[in-house]
Amino acid sequence: NAGVTQTPKFQVLKTGQSMTLQCAQDMNHEYMSWYRQDPGMGLRLIHYSVGAGITDQGEVPNGYNVSRSTTEDFPLRLLSAAPSQTSVYFCASSLVTGTGYYEQYFGPGTRLTVT
Amino acid sequence: ILNVEQSPQSLHVQEGDSTNFTCSFPSSNFYALHWYRWETAKSPEALFVMTLNGDEKKKGRISATLNTKEGYSYLYIKGSQPEDSATYLCARNAGNMLTFGGGTRLMVKP
Repeated sequence: NAGVTQTPKFQVLKTGQSMTLQCAQDMNHEYMSWYRQDPGMGLRLIHYSVGAGITDQGEVPNGYNVSRSTTEDFPLRLLSAAPSQTSVYFCASSLVTGTGYYEQYFGPGTRLTVT
Repeated sequence: ILNVEQSPQSLHVQEGDSTNFTCSFPSSNFYALHWYRWETAKSPEALFVMTLNGDEKKKGRISATLNTKEGYSYLYIKGSQPEDSATYLCARNAGNMLTFGGGTRLMVKP
């Protein structure tokens, strides 16, 4: 049971390049989400998914796309990288109930630098 | 309160001191309040998820209380140890979204 895995751990991009951050979980969790962590700003929600085929925007979705074709995988795509997207990205998953959520399980993070 | 706010931003205590921090959040459309512990260079780990007004949770020396009517939660650490040094995050769950506060960074000096 690997929990939540993320690849790559580190990435450097040039402005305008695109890339996909991978996230996978093996706990059969319905809910998956992507956050970015910037100094002094805590964790901000980018996109989330409540199940395969269902995605929605969080607080800071601009410049990012997601898809959820399987329960296990939730990739995050940067369409045209900008220096403002330099951040640490965390993927998380949890079970979901009708009254709220169980605790989130976080991946190890991807540190992205855009030059 | 429009956002989730945590205070203080940082806190230095001596080993053995007891301490507490505050999480304030909008009380409308409330589902749950989460607390996470986040050590440097690691991922956040869940401490508590609380849903009911008046909830109290405890895990070892760490406990938390919840007041959903006035929109606040307290996290208490009794007899702080150096290994308690971390950032403590709270998050409000409303609908399908978790909104995190900025965290309280705790440093415990031996």
